[in-house]
Amino acid sequence: GNSVTQMEGPVTLSEEAFLTINCTYTATGYPSLFWYVQYPGEGLQLLLKATKADDKGSNKGFEATYRKETTSFHLEKGSVQVSDSAVYFCALIQGAQKLVFGQGTRLTINP
Amino acid sequence: DAGVIQSPRHEVTEMGQEVTLRCKPISGHDYLFWYRQTMMRGLELLIYFNNNVPIDDSGMPEDRFSAKMPNASFSTLKIQPSEPRDSAVYFCASRTRSNEQFFGPGTRLTVL
Repeated sequence: GNSVTQMEGPVTLSEEAFLTINCTYTATGYPSLFWYVQYPGEGLQLLLKATKADDKGSNKGFEATYRKETTSFHLEKGSVQVSDSAVYFCALIQGAQKLVFGQGTRLTINP
Repeated sequence: DAGVIQSPRHEVTEMGQEVTLRCKPISGHDYLFWYRQTMMRGLELLIYFNNNVPIDDSGMPEDRFSAKMPNASFSTLKIQPSEPRDSAVYFCASRTRSNEQFFGPGTRLTVL
């Protein structure tokens, strides 16, 4: 079945550092891919998405490119801020099925 | 739109009591999902509905858990009787076929 694997956390960076959170997936066909973010005490929010190969999703300085050849959807940001501290979830969906989430990566940014 | 609405936001109860969590999805969304999140087990899908019909309840932990969706604007998740291991944050989410899923703020349940 479909699955998503994220890099293990927690990840701790200093402010203004470059961020990469790795995400790879297993699926038949062409799923849509998502990154969700969960700030402390809140529900998950959609951060960005990509629906076909080579699409780049972007939002709030974050980017991720749908790479079918490597089955990856890595999340990147060029300069992180303390306010980016949160848990990040990679996810996929195919057709009208349920979202399949990765295990989440906790990110802490120190000033 | 107000987004997905959940109530209560916090619930503290004693073991053996019945707990009912409530969710109002975004108007026009035809899928509704119930999730549970704990530190140990992460985010787990419990059950989801399409057009008010339960589609997959394989994540419901045991018979003590039940969920209903009597109409397109309301769903409940009930635990009877509750146990301390049910303590978690329970999220409701809704979406359309366009696949953008929106989550509610969650209900933090503590069973003493």
